[in-house]
Amino acid sequence: GAGVSQSPRYKVAKRGQDVALRCDPISGHVSLFWYQQALGQGPEFLTYFQNEAQLDKSGLPSDRFFAERPEGSVSTLKIQRTQQEDSAVYLCASSLLVGQNSYEQYFGPGTRLTVT
Amino acid sequence: GQNIDQPTEMTATEGAIVQINCTYQTSGFNGLFWYQQHAGEAPTFLSYNVLDGLEEKGRFSSFLSRSKGYSYLLLKELQMKDSASYLCAVRDRGGSYIPTFGRGTSLIVHP
Repeated sequence: GAGVSQSPRYKVAKRGQDVALRCDPISGHVSLFWYQQALGQGPEFLTYFQNEAQLDKSGLPSDRFFAERPEGSVSTLKIQRTQQEDSAVYLCASSLLVGQNSYEQYFGPGTRLTVT
Repeated sequence: GQNIDQPTEMTATEGAIVQINCTYQTSGFNGLFWYQQHAGEAPTFLSYNVLDGLEEKGRFSSFLSRSKGYSYLLLKELQMKDSASYLCAVRDRGGSYIPTFGRGTSLIVHP
């Protein structure tokens, strides 16, 4: 079946613009994660959903970042008033369920955001 | 949270064996993952260790010592396509069982 998809794959925004990044997880996957990956770094956790509930948003760097998953499937990460330091690849991942007895995350190809 | 350390870059020769180390500090260890990430692509799952010892999967093996806070990924019979970043990620019982990733080790395989 289809893997995790993300759109757009590339986004160039002028500083101060708002952007919305979309993630379509694997069908039936309960858990959904957003990560931010800077060049040469590992993915940094942003936020986590279980179905439509946002259970952890401790990684969101500021109140300009907002994520939602209203129907428990597709998720959108919104960044308001983008700044140059927001330039990064934004990765979405899904898994059947997060917990002690499940583990593998399936990642999407990412959205490369460049703020000019 | 977790403190994860792995080398930034390694080089190796096609056909050889390479070992990529990962050390971590965590208060409630609940599993360690290795992912492979080719440039410009998504990370893909390689292995998961939660108990001490060696897990072998084809050309790739992963080892864990919980008492030492140490893991390694062993790649045998290296191929050019193994050139990629290798990410170590540790899961903690605290919080939401969400893995924390290290910065990754960039492996360059040359002929």
